[in-house]
Amino acid sequence: KAGVTQTPRYLIKTRGQQVTLSCSPISGHRSVSWYQQTPGQGLQFLFEYFSETQRNKGNFPGRFSGRQFSNSRSEMNVSTLELGDSALYLCASSLDRSRGTEAFFGQGTRLTVV
Amino acid sequence: DQQVKQNSPSLSVQEGRISILNCDYTNSMFDYFLWYKKYPAEGPTFLISISSIKDKNEDGRFTVFLNKSAKHLSLHIVPSQPGDSAVYFCAASFRGSQGNLIFGKGTKLSVKP
Repeated sequence: KAGVTQTPRYLIKTRGQQVTLSCSPISGHRSVSWYQQTPGQGLQFLFEYFSETQRNKGNFPGRFSGRQFSNSRSEMNVSTLELGDSALYLCASSLDRSRGTEAFFGQGTRLTVV
Repeated sequence: DQQVKQNSPSLSVQEGRISILNCDYTNSMFDYFLWYKKYPAEGPTFLISISSIKDKNEDGRFTVFLNKSAKHLSLHIVPSQPGDSAVYFCAASFRGSQGNLIFGKGTKLSVKP
């Protein structure tokens, strides 16, 4: 069974640009969550999608958005990039939202904003 | 305000000995707890989890203990192996919100041969 796949692995963007990151969950998983990892803040929850609907949202500005498609694949978008957006962006998928469901992570996309 | 805390940024253990990684939380509404292991430039790998209705869960060399009255959980690795060297994250979630994991800042474990 293939794991969670994130593309691209590495990305360099300039301040003010926008970026789109992609995540393909494990087959059959309907919940996809996005996290940002930085050295200072650790792993922080961005948002979760389930059946194409955003179910939870973390404490990030509106420049961070996402969506989920009918095949459960998800994308996140960051507009008007800032230097502080440089981070490892991780996607996690889980089977469903019932009790005791573990989330499985992809390898992440390393975004550098210059 | 951090809801999940891992107060030890690093831990060094001799191969073959026990590694004990600790995690404290502040919100008694957390329903589910997980431990993840992470190598540099990779995503976290799920290790073991425990529901709030249990106080212990074991999987091979890994055991997680939950003390709800103290709002404390720990991960025991016995015996420790050099390949266990990584950063370990504790995470918690609320009932009905398992897609939103709240992570501690991690503990870097070094297992010396």
